[in-house]
Amino acid sequence: DIQMTQSPSTLSASVGDRVTIICRASQSISDWLAWYQQKPGKAPKLLIYKASSLESGVPSRFSGSGSGTEFTLTISGLQPDDFATYYCQHHNTYWTFGQGTKVEIK
Amino acid sequence: QVQLMESGGGVVQPGRSLRLSCAASRFTFSSYDMHWVRQAPGKGLEWVAVITYDGSKKYYVDSVKGRFTISRDNSRNTLYLEMNSLRGDDTAVYFCAREGGALRLLDFWGQGTLVTVAS
Repeated sequence: DIQMTQSPSTLSASVGDRVTIICRASQSISDWLAWYQQKPGKAPKLLIYKASSLESGVPSRFSGSGSGTEFTLTISGLQPDDFATYYCQHHNTYWTFGQGTKVEIK
Repeated sequence: QVQLMESGGGVVQPGRSLRLSCAASRFTFSSYDMHWVRQAPGKGLEWVAVITYDGSKKYYVDSVKGRFTISRDNSRNTLYLEMNSLRGDDTAVYFCAREGGALRLLDFWGQGTLVTVAS
């Protein structure tokens, strides 16, 4: 089975910062990688799919890149609404999630 | 807007059974594969199971194989998860999610229902 590993587990940042979250797959998944944002008590929200495609309605400060086994989610200019937990997920044949990265206020 | 609403959660003793439901509306339910994803308290997301649009194929995470059964009733626009031989580590919020299109993304999610397995 494909395993997804995110780093860091927790990230402390301030409003306006540029933050980057890394997701690694245990084997090549091409660009079948999605990113979700989850806030406490809420369902996950799809941000990015196919590694770099922005879901409709998602602010352009979110961007994704990568292919194969290494991927990144970048938030350029962190906003108060962005403090949340972010998950990567392999989509297509399997739907394995990374363990999550909590972005907290510094 | 797509709506998914889970129900059926609650407190159940270890070894017992529980059936979750997910009522779908505002989209053509019978055209979409559907998933269950769970989240243990304070933990990350874990994909649990998927069923194809017509119910012909089902896949499960290893930890629930042989204990959980995913099913659907397209005439009622409802997805189910039958959970048997429940264990403490099955305690979680269970979300249903729609798989949208050829990209196989989980594009719409319900708000979840909490299952607590405790004596």
